[in-house]
Amino acid sequence: QITLKESGPTLVKPTQTLTLTCSFSGFSLSTGGEGVGWIRQPPGKALEWLALIYWDDDKRYRPSLKSRLTITKDTSKNQVVLTMTNMDPVDTATYYCARDTTRYGVDVWGRGTTVTVPS
Amino acid sequence: QSVLTQPPSASGTPGQRVTVSCSGINSNIGSTYVYWYQQLPGTAPKLLIYRNNQRPSGVPDRFSGSKSGTSASLAISGLRSEDEADYYCAAWDDSLSGWVFGGGTKLTVL
Repeated sequence: QITLKESGPTLVKPTQTLTLTCSFSGFSLSTGGEGVGWIRQPPGKALEWLALIYWDDDKRYRPSLKSRLTITKDTSKNQVVLTMTNMDPVDTATYYCARDTTRYGVDVWGRGTTVTVPS
Repeated sequence: QSVLTQPPSASGTPGQRVTVSCSGINSNIGSTYVYWYQQLPGTAPKLLIYRNNQRPSGVPDRFSGSKSGTSASLAISGLRSEDEADYYCAAWDDSLSGWVFGGGTKLTVL
């Protein structure tokens, strides 16, 4: 069974850096074709893809946020970490991590973690 | 503003067939696969359709997907009350080197 779980702060002050951790099981990021990505959803709005890291450490970022995002993996711990700098109230959202495979796309999602940036 | 275009809402009565459209451009839908997700209220999205028209194990065959050119559609037949949810399309965009999503379609079962 494949599961993913997001963890991190629920409240982040403006200008601070957000660090989110995705802990997963049921697959390995040392296996070819596997990846883990982050997607967020502001309250009442659509899904917005943020970043993706592949088994070979190839990384992709949302172009408009590339300067603020860093994604890393720890294969031995089955974890992926996303950092987002200079947080703003518009970054208030539920942040999801999800498995990303060459065959099924973004197929299994975590339950999400809500991050609030107060104005 | 989302890269892929979906109607904001759709509706149908139990037993009916409804479709949700998704429009993109050559660098996304026109050159890659389309994926569909169902998001029930307060929950994470769930993969419904991958690679345009493939259903993951456990997804009822009432759900089907199709793609033509730079557009795609999700069809739900035999509509049930539990199908009331938000539906999102997604595709990889070769120009952006990342995933793009539609704005979502809220399906109401009348």
